[in-house]
Amino acid sequence: DTAVSQTPKYLVTQMGNDKSIKCEQNLGHDTMYWYKQDSKKFLKIMFSYNNKELIINETVPNRFSPKSPDKAHLNLHINSLELGDSAVYFCASSQVWGNEQFFGPGTRLTVL
Amino acid sequence: AQTVTQSQPEMSVQEAETVTLSCTYDTSENNYYLFWYKQPPSRQMILVIRQEAYKQQNAMENRFSVNFQKAAKSFSLKISDSQLGDTAMYFCAHEGVSGNTGKLIFGQGTTLQVKP
Repeated sequence: DTAVSQTPKYLVTQMGNDKSIKCEQNLGHDTMYWYKQDSKKFLKIMFSYNNKELIINETVPNRFSPKSPDKAHLNLHINSLELGDSAVYFCASSQVWGNEQFFGPGTRLTVL
Repeated sequence: AQTVTQSQPEMSVQEAETVTLSCTYDTSENNYYLFWYKQPPSRQMILVIRQEAYKQQNAMENRFSVNFQKAAKSFSLKISDSQLGDTAMYFCAHEGVSGNTGKLIFGQGTTLQVKP
């Protein structure tokens, strides 16, 4: 029944490692997003995809690479993890612009 | 560039009382959408209320209502009859229609504590 799911919910890893976060939505939405929430709780968009096509690519280091195998999935791969990557990463989806975005439960990434 | 400002980092209210959270924004667009999202300690982001800028009527959802002042670029959230479950961080957000990207710009958030 979960609308937007993310795995894993928690991720602890060493600096320099590569990791992936997976996101799936079962709402039939065309657009999916990745947001980053930093330690001060500030939320900022990173990427968005519409029907598997990249729409938004904010100023994000190219160590971050999103991949959308189909419109129900948007994964985030991070290479060479750095301490500053520690944050909560949220996946979201919406049907059309201007509508409610449904958020996943978030993935807390801790880089040691 | 669009910006959203929430000038109240923390607020508190007694249960059953009314509280208003402030939000101002800056945009060059004439049409856009505004949102209030709630993030309780569970971390889940939940939509509270949504306003379309071209609609003059203020949005209302049960105990939640907004005061949308387009000329002043102000979008405050009023919570009536506050309940303990309203304790959360509240984020104001703006989405412009230019480019049809769905890009949400968030404010810094206001932590609301409802006291019994």
